[in-house]
Amino acid sequence: DQQVKQNSPSLSVQEGRISILNCDYTNSMFDYFLWYKKYPAEGPTFLISISSIKDKNEDGRFTVFLNKSAKHLSLHIVPSQPGDSAVYFCAASGQAGNNRKLIWGLGTSLAVNP
Amino acid sequence: NAGVMQNPRHLVRRRGQEARLRCSPMKGHSHVYWYRQLPEEGLKFMVYLQKENIIDESGMPKERFSAEFPKEGPSILRIQQVVRGDSAAYFCASSPDRGGHGYTFGSGTRLTVV
Repeated sequence: DQQVKQNSPSLSVQEGRISILNCDYTNSMFDYFLWYKKYPAEGPTFLISISSIKDKNEDGRFTVFLNKSAKHLSLHIVPSQPGDSAVYFCAASGQAGNNRKLIWGLGTSLAVNP
Repeated sequence: NAGVMQNPRHLVRRRGQEARLRCSPMKGHSHVYWYRQLPEEGLKFMVYLQKENIIDESGMPKERFSAEFPKEGPSILRIQQVVRGDSAAYFCASSPDRGGHGYTFGSGTRLTVV
């Protein structure tokens, strides 16, 4: 049972335009959400996160939006750059025993074309 | 300030052999997490350890897999009697405190069972 879902396996965007990556979750106990970026043959790199008490968090070109009622979050990258081409993972964690293990989506492969 | 170090980067084992994967967390990090990424899948939590303690091993297969994080030295993920289905990328992450969301991942060990 996939608790964190990234329904688009891939996305292609023109350089300079906005990239929007989507993520849905089913477990209402999740209270913290993270986006990671992964290049081939490397480990995931933390990008940005958001607590469930917020609906938006911004860091430079990256903004994450959280809609708790819809159990949906999205990552916006503006403007997109070729170096952003990577696989993006959405992950979530909950309060169970203060254990911060992460539940991951399957990832969305973003290609930014020059 | 070295990051999370995993070795080896690539490991080839014949069916029935043992695989040992090592992870040295970042300096000052006392919490270690192991994740596995099977082909075409997202990352799956395996185990969460603190020095000399297994905190959560709910993601570990019941047989053949074990993990430790001794007082001195790296964390070890051990797979006995490997099978082809164990072929995957194994990622280790560390964090500085139990409640922290700030995982830092290593580059992973790619295990191939032939």
